[in-house]
Amino acid sequence: VQLVQSGAEVKKPGASVKVSCKASGYTFTAYYIHWVRQAPGQGLEWMGRINPDSGDIDSAQNLQGRVILTTDTSANTAYMQLNSLTSDDTAVYYCASLTRSLYISGWDIWDHWGQGTQVTVSS
Amino acid sequence: EIVLTQSPGTLSLSPGERATLSCRASQSIDRSYLGWYKQKPGQPPRLLLYAASSRATDIPDRISGSGSGTDFTLTISRLEPEDFAVYYCQHYGDSPWTFGQGTKVEIK
Repeated sequence: VQLVQSGAEVKKPGASVKVSCKASGYTFTAYYIHWVRQAPGQGLEWMGRINPDSGDIDSAQNLQGRVILTTDTSANTAYMQLNSLTSDDTAVYYCASLTRSLYISGWDIWDHWGQGTQVTVSS
Repeated sequence: EIVLTQSPGTLSLSPGERATLSCRASQSIDRSYLGWYKQKPGQPPRLLLYAASSRATDIPDRISGSGSGTDFTLTISRLEPEDFAVYYCQHYGDSPWTFGQGTKVEIK
């Protein structure tokens, strides 16, 4: 299982960034893709998730209206676009294929992360 | 939204010592939906525990979890060199998923 993300980006305030996450080694539509970011020296911030099969999306309230999550199932790739960038958006952005599902037979735990993409917002 | 507060912020210990990390939720949560991650610099997080106390694949038994309601604990019985890292608790299930702010376990 691999999640390979696109390379580092440098953007100016007010611009947009689109990060890609190409999955391999498993059935892409089987598990949600989550996006998590980490500002320099800070903790993990959950941004949102997308179901590649149904297209259902949940996103963090503080990012609603600025973050766009999409997938291309023909390319096994997920995308995260963040608009109206500010310096506070400077962070490493991770995609992750995650599930925690409890069935009668027990837990289905799936937890695989991309390598991270550095996004720097600077004038 | 469930807010998770971790303590202490930093734990300074020596190899071989016991580490006890705390995670407190802003409201009672089903322990089935509480997990723990470990992160080393420059690496993505790695899942340690799910359902508060179940170890993920290949996680050694010196790492254990406990708790219910609003108070959860991660315990490392004897610190190995690879255990010095930052640890995050996580609430999952319904949206939004949330993380605690992290506890750094550093070498004393």
